[in-house]
Amino acid sequence: DVKVTQSSRYLVKRTGEKVFLECVQDMDHENMFWYRQDPGLGLRLIYFSYDVKMKEKGDIPEGYSVSREKKERFSLILESASTNQTSMYLCASSQGTDTQYFGPGTRLTVL
Amino acid sequence: KQEVTQIPAALSVPEGENLVLNCSFTDSAIYNLQWFRQDPGKGLTSLLLIQSSQREQTSGRLNASLDKSSGRSTLYIAASQPGDSATYLCAVYTGANSKLTFGKGITLSVRP
Repeated sequence: DVKVTQSSRYLVKRTGEKVFLECVQDMDHENMFWYRQDPGLGLRLIYFSYDVKMKEKGDIPEGYSVSREKKERFSLILESASTNQTSMYLCASSQGTDTQYFGPGTRLTVL
Repeated sequence: KQEVTQIPAALSVPEGENLVLNCSFTDSAIYNLQWFRQDPGKGLTSLLLIQSSQREQTSGRLNASLDKSSGRSTLYIAASQPGDSATYLCAVYTGANSKLTFGKGITLSVRP
């Protein structure tokens, strides 16, 4: 079974803090993705990566950065957290255009 | 730009009913279409993937069809159960940008 894990289920941070969200997959997938999900807006792609050290901007990259130093790990970084970044963050991985496998999500609250 | 629409946003049915969830997309140049299920506060679980060359896929009580030329897919759920209550999302992999574009989902409630 493919497993995608995320470092935290719930996270509370203060405005201006630097926040790291970690995602690890165990199936040697090439592709990894970070989404955020908000009521009424659906899933929106923040960043994705097709290979180690490669990254591509998604639909809403502003205020975020990513790091992929190892194939199995993809990190999302909020350089200076703001209240409008309060959201559910979902990581996913896939091989090519095959099925995307999602982690359990991290619910981030920025106060 | 690919757009995916799922209407209605919510649906409530009595247990045992057969039901159809609809998905439409604007750009027919897709690699595949994927259906997911999401329980409240959880991640997405893949249900079915239909390649662009296929017409349908089946898994248990679920059957998904694809009509690429008209930009439509349906997810058929047979003999619905309360445990089927969840949000169902469809997504298409489009060649132009090689990423999944999601609909906003249909929240299904199956009443006992």
